[in-house]
Amino acid sequence: EAGVVQSPRYKIIEKKQPVAFWCNPISGHNTLYWYRQNLGQGPELLIRYENEEAVDDSQLPKDRFSAERLKGVDSTLKIQPAELGDSAVYLCASSLGLAGEQETQYFGPGTRLLVL
Amino acid sequence: AQSVTQPDIHITVSEGASLELRCNYSYGATPYLFWYVQSPGQGLQLLLKYFSGDTLVQGIKGFEAEFKRSQSSFNLRKPSVHWSDAAEYFCAVTWSRAGNNRKLIWGLGTSLAVNP
Repeated sequence: EAGVVQSPRYKIIEKKQPVAFWCNPISGHNTLYWYRQNLGQGPELLIRYENEEAVDDSQLPKDRFSAERLKGVDSTLKIQPAELGDSAVYLCASSLGLAGEQETQYFGPGTRLLVL
Repeated sequence: AQSVTQPDIHITVSEGASLELRCNYSYGATPYLFWYVQSPGQGLQLLLKYFSGDTLVQGIKGFEAEFKRSQSSFNLRKPSVHWSDAAEYFCAVTWSRAGNNRKLIWGLGTSLAVNP
């Protein structure tokens, strides 16, 4: 069974430029998560989707970050414009659902973003 | 408030030695407990999880963890460490009574170094 797929794996951009990350979750997983992980820290949830609905985006900086999950499968996270402080690893995870063991999250390899 | 504490920021052990990584959580509701491992430049891999039942759970790569409700702990153990176990280890917890907006609360991680 294929795991969570993310692309690109690495991205280097200059500040004020836009950037987008793509995630394809495990087949059949209804819940999709985007996290940001700064160096030496644990992941920080940015947004959670239940199918195509964003049910928790309280930690998403909405002035520059946006996300979509059209058709309830793959998802895109965008930053526009990027700032130096956005340099981090962006992780995508998915789970079957939110009941008991179904909420076990499986992570992709992440996208490492460097903003210069 | 819900919180997860990993008291040890960094641990060094010799190859072949036993290992115990500590994890404590706050909040009184029934917890769902996870350990993830992250190798350099990689995403998070699930080592093991606890939802209910036997409080001693077995995971991948020879790891096990024991849930002790009286101590609010979920410590990770391995009887004999291999050099390939060098990585960052994260404990994460969610709570069954947290409702539809529940999310994983992460510890800050423990960095494990293995001496040959």
